[in-house]
Amino acid sequence: DIQMTQSPSVLSASVGDRVTLNCKASQNINKYLNWYQQKLGEAPKLLIYNTNNLQTGIPSRFSGSGSGTDYTLTISSLQPEDVATYFCFQHNSWPTFGSGTKLEIK
Amino acid sequence: QVTLKESGPGMLQPSKTLSLTCSFSGFSLSTSGMVVSWIRQPSGKSLEWLAAIDWDGDKYYNPSLKSRLTVSKDTSNTQVFLKITSVDTADTATYYCARRNPMGITFDYWGQGVMVTVSS
Repeated sequence: DIQMTQSPSVLSASVGDRVTLNCKASQNINKYLNWYQQKLGEAPKLLIYNTNNLQTGIPSRFSGSGSGTDYTLTISSLQPEDVATYFCFQHNSWPTFGSGTKLEIK
Repeated sequence: QVTLKESGPGMLQPSKTLSLTCSFSGFSLSTSGMVVSWIRQPSGKSLEWLAAIDWDGDKYYNPSLKSRLTVSKDTSNTQVFLKITSVDTADTATYYCARRNPMGITFDYWGQGVMVTVSS
């Protein structure tokens, strides 16, 4: 199995901050990396697919980058509605999710 | 409009077989490239991909759970099923179904999830 490690596990930031969430794969996943946002009590929602493609309807303040084993989700200006847990997900081989980063507002 | 909705027993006893149904609309599983997966999430924890079935009827399983899982679909290609045998308390979770579209975008739509509790 490919292990996905997310950091930090909890991130507290202020409205308007630029926020970076990290995801590291245990081996090369060839950019087959998605990011999902999960708000409390809801199903996950696709934000970014295949490293840097913004899903339809997702605000442009969300962006993704990375290659090989290291990937990043960036929120350019944090908004109150961005409070959620964010999961990375690889589908290069048998699909696996990261453990999540919980994003809070200071 | 694409929608998916899971249904299940809510609660069942250890050692029993869990049967789940994913009913969907707005797309057909007969469309080339379409895939429906099952994913679960214990309360407060991360997500675990369980199984998938594609437009051609090919099935894919999480290797760590393969011996206990069976995924299938109905002939009208509007429902997908998952059976998990010999459940125990570790199978307590919210179970989701989600779609991969023919463009290869994985899990672009999810159901709302169904909570399943395994308890004696």
